[in-house]
Amino acid sequence: DGGITQSPKYLFRKEGQNVTLSCEQNLNHDAMYWYRQDPGQGLRLIYYSQIVNDFQKGDIAEGYSVSREKKESFPLTVTSAQKNPTAFYLCASSIGRGVFFGPGTRLTVL
Amino acid sequence: GQQVMQIPQYQHVQEGEDFTTYCNSSTTLSNIQWYKQRPGGHPVFLIQLVKSGEVKKQKRLTFQFGEAKKNSSLHITATQTTDVGTYFCARSPDSGGYQKVTFGTGTKLQVIP
Repeated sequence: DGGITQSPKYLFRKEGQNVTLSCEQNLNHDAMYWYRQDPGQGLRLIYYSQIVNDFQKGDIAEGYSVSREKKESFPLTVTSAQKNPTAFYLCASSIGRGVFFGPGTRLTVL
Repeated sequence: GQQVMQIPQYQHVQEGEDFTTYCNSSTTLSNIQWYKQRPGGHPVFLIQLVKSGEVKKQKRLTFQFGEAKKNSSLHITATQTTDVGTYFCARSPDSGGYQKVTFGTGTKLQVIP
């Protein structure tokens, strides 16, 4: 977990605004992931990327977008189309044996 | 997507008692991974099991992969307050690739001192 950074830790936005969550890793991992966790709930996959300039939708991709222009970076944009954006967002990376998570960003949309 | 179900959803134990969480799938798993998430924290990778019937130990934690590769368990012997958290199992389509990793529903463990 030391090699994955997410900022900020807490983020507040008004309803109707797009917001981009950052995720950077210096682990040289090819794969990166975005998960969403709601209070008392499990982890649901939003998007994942296996290599640069390629990404696939997860189970709950609607209302989200991503880019993977660099190996180290996998930003997630929460768009105004996402109906319930308030959640804990976790970025992760993998080299094929286990997924390693960043500290997460708690997004609150008011 | 194909899900893995975990039971129980919650477990309260007295410190010193044992704890077990189970992960079940309706389809054969190529591998099973286990994670621990402390309250307020992020999930931390514990282990990956790949072989049928595999058993691995990490101190007081014992991980098992079923013979049919459709279920797995995590057993903690003599729980301590440091074991508090939510334990997740997860699956991926292949053991070595950078594939979609799907998490189970989790078991929240509370240890009473």
